[in-house]
Amino acid sequence: GAVVSQHPSWVICKSGTSVKIECRSLDFQATTMFWYRQFPKQSLMLMATSNEGSKATYEQGVEKDKFLINHASLTLSTLTVTSAHPEDSSFYICSARAGLHNEQFFGPGTRLTVL
Amino acid sequence: AQKITQTQPGMFVQEKEAVTLDCTYDTSDPSYGLFWYKQPSSGEMIFLIYQGSYDQQNATEGRYSLNFQKARKSANLVISASQLGDSAMYFCAMREKGSYIPTFGRGTSLIVHP
Repeated sequence: GAVVSQHPSWVICKSGTSVKIECRSLDFQATTMFWYRQFPKQSLMLMATSNEGSKATYEQGVEKDKFLINHASLTLSTLTVTSAHPEDSSFYICSARAGLHNEQFFGPGTRLTVL
Repeated sequence: AQKITQTQPGMFVQEKEAVTLDCTYDTSDPSYGLFWYKQPSSGEMIFLIYQGSYDQQNATEGRYSLNFQKARKSANLVISASQLGDSAMYFCAMREKGSYIPTFGRGTSLIVHP
C-alpha cells in the first residue's frame, strides 16, 4: 500500500515553455501532498505543501507564480513550472503522508531539463 | 543550526559486512519521530525505518536497525549483511510534534563493493 506515482518521469523542454508534473496517490487518499526539489548530490528541499481544495503553502523563497500547484482531488496534485528556464532544471519529487507513523511516501520523481 | 546532521558524505563497505550510517539531530521537543530513507540512483525515495522518541526499544526492519541513543541525540542506521543493491544515498529525517513535515539531512552515499 501507500503507492505514489508521478508523471512524467523525465521531461526536456525549451526555455520559456511550461511543464506540468502530476503526482497521484494510487491506493489511498491524500488531503496533503508535498513537493520537493533536489539538486545533484544534495538533500531534498521542500518547495510547498499542497492542500486539497485550498491554496498551497509555499516555503520561503519559492515563487508561487513560478511554481503553480493545484490539488483538485484527494488523489491528484499537479506542479506546473511556468516559463521554465535552465536554472529550473532539477529533480522534482512529490510525497504524501500515509502509514502507521505518517511517514512520507514518495513518488519516483521527475527529472526536468530545460534547454 | 542544522536539525539533522549526517557527517559521513560517503561510506564504503564490503558485501556481507555490516555498516553504520551516522545521524545526529537537534530538537528541544520531547516528542519527535526519526526516519531513514534510501535513494538509489533511480531517484525514488524509499522509506526504511522509523523510531519514535518515546519508543523504548530500538526499531528494526529486516536487515535495518536503528541505534537510538536519546541522550546523545543520535539515530544511527545499521545495515547488516550488506548487499550490492544497498548502494544508494541514505537520508536521515526528523519530524517534530505538531509538524507533519520532516527535516532531512544531507545524506550519506553508501557504496557496497564485492
